[in-house]
Amino acid sequence: QQQVKQSPQSLIVQKGGISIINCAYENTAFDYFPWYQQFPGKGPALLIAIRPDVSEKKEGRFTISFNKSAKQFSLHIMDSQPGDSATYFCAASMGGGKLIFGQGTELSVKP
Amino acid sequence: EAGVVQSPRYKIIEKKQPVAFWCNPISGHNTLYWYRQNLGQGPELLIRYENEEAVDDSQLPKDRFSAERLKGVDSTLKIQPAELGDSAVYLCASSLDEVTHDTQYFGPGTRLTVL
Repeated sequence: QQQVKQSPQSLIVQKGGISIINCAYENTAFDYFPWYQQFPGKGPALLIAIRPDVSEKKEGRFTISFNKSAKQFSLHIMDSQPGDSATYFCAASMGGGKLIFGQGTELSVKP
Repeated sequence: EAGVVQSPRYKIIEKKQPVAFWCNPISGHNTLYWYRQNLGQGPELLIRYENEEAVDDSQLPKDRFSAERLKGVDSTLKIQPAELGDSAVYLCASSLDEVTHDTQYFGPGTRLTVL
């Protein structure tokens, strides 16, 4: 029940295209859903986060869509750029600072 | 402002040897986390400190792992003795406040290889 399942494991998108990464969870006690971006040799960095009282949050080219009834959330990267090539992790938390991470998606944006 | 600092960045040891990792969090951050990230996986929390108190060490393998955060600032994570399965990246993170979903800022990690 503590797991967060992420898909796909890897994704190749053409420059200018839309990248979509999906996550699903079971524990309805989760109340905070962040996405982290990790470049090789670096630690993860917060990209965008959402709470379950809203269905969508947009920051620039990055949007989180949240479906509370389905217990799913997704990251959409519009106008994907080669600089977006990284590994993306979804996560969930029920407070207390403990983040449960998904398995990660390796995104490659081709020029 | 400096981010989370970790050292060493890389460490190669033989099994059964001890190893230690050091972390200096962002100034003013009360909460410090140690995560382990296996290859191709997301980070998994090992231990969380609120100031100098370990408030969640339920995932820390206590038979071989230990950690300390003296004076509520820097922290050290130790493995003794190391096993082959301990090869991973050990990440340190910090946040202002662990109660309100404050952003966790990660360091670059220490990549441990156990031969």
